[in-house]
Amino acid sequence: EAQVTQNPRYLITVTGKKLTVTCSQNMNHEYMSWYRQDPGLGLRQIYYSMNVEVTDKGDVPEGYKVSRKEKRNFPLILESPSPNQTSLYFCASSSTQAGGRGYTFGSGTRLTVV
Amino acid sequence: AQSVTQPDIHITVSEGASLELRCNYSYGATPYLFWYVQSPGQGLQLLLKYFSGDTLVQGIKGFEAEFKRSQSSFNLRKPSVHWSDAAEYFCAVGAAAWGGKLIFGQGTTLQVKP
Repeated sequence: EAQVTQNPRYLITVTGKKLTVTCSQNMNHEYMSWYRQDPGLGLRQIYYSMNVEVTDKGDVPEGYKVSRKEKRNFPLILESPSPNQTSLYFCASSSTQAGGRGYTFGSGTRLTVV
Repeated sequence: AQSVTQPDIHITVSEGASLELRCNYSYGATPYLFWYVQSPGQGLQLLLKYFSGDTLVQGIKGFEAEFKRSQSSFNLRKPSVHWSDAAEYFCAVGAAAWGGKLIFGQGTTLQVKP
């Protein structure tokens, strides 16, 4: 089954404790992206990757890091989480052929930083 | 700058009534257009998409949307709403020049009254 898998689904952590949210897709998509969703703000892009070893900042990259060492994986790293990073996070992937055909989303990771 | 606007943050309709959710975009050329639905606690599911051709597109769950170039709009409609349609709906825009990137609106929360 074609899918984007995120882990964990829920995470509670303390301020300053480094964490990684994993994302993996099995569709051989070139494009992968991380979004955060906050009430009233919709989905805002954090980082994206056009292909292996090609990443770039989205609209709200502060406090986050990503890497793309393999085509299927695109982890999101919070080196020193803060309470304002409490949010619902989504990973998404897309083919870049012909401008893309829309995202396939992961199920989301609800992160709480206390 | 490119943007997507969903003017209605919250809409309440009675079960069986018709529904229209509005979406306006700002982009210089004809974009790719999408509607996603997010049920409570769930990820985002693609309802329908427009790339070219017939400006009235059919999607899943009985939804349709009409692209109106002159109004830069892509409104979502359903003739008769069911209680299970209660969810948050997101309009999104993509473009060939953007690779796989999508820009999302702020979302519209649909409440269905029995």
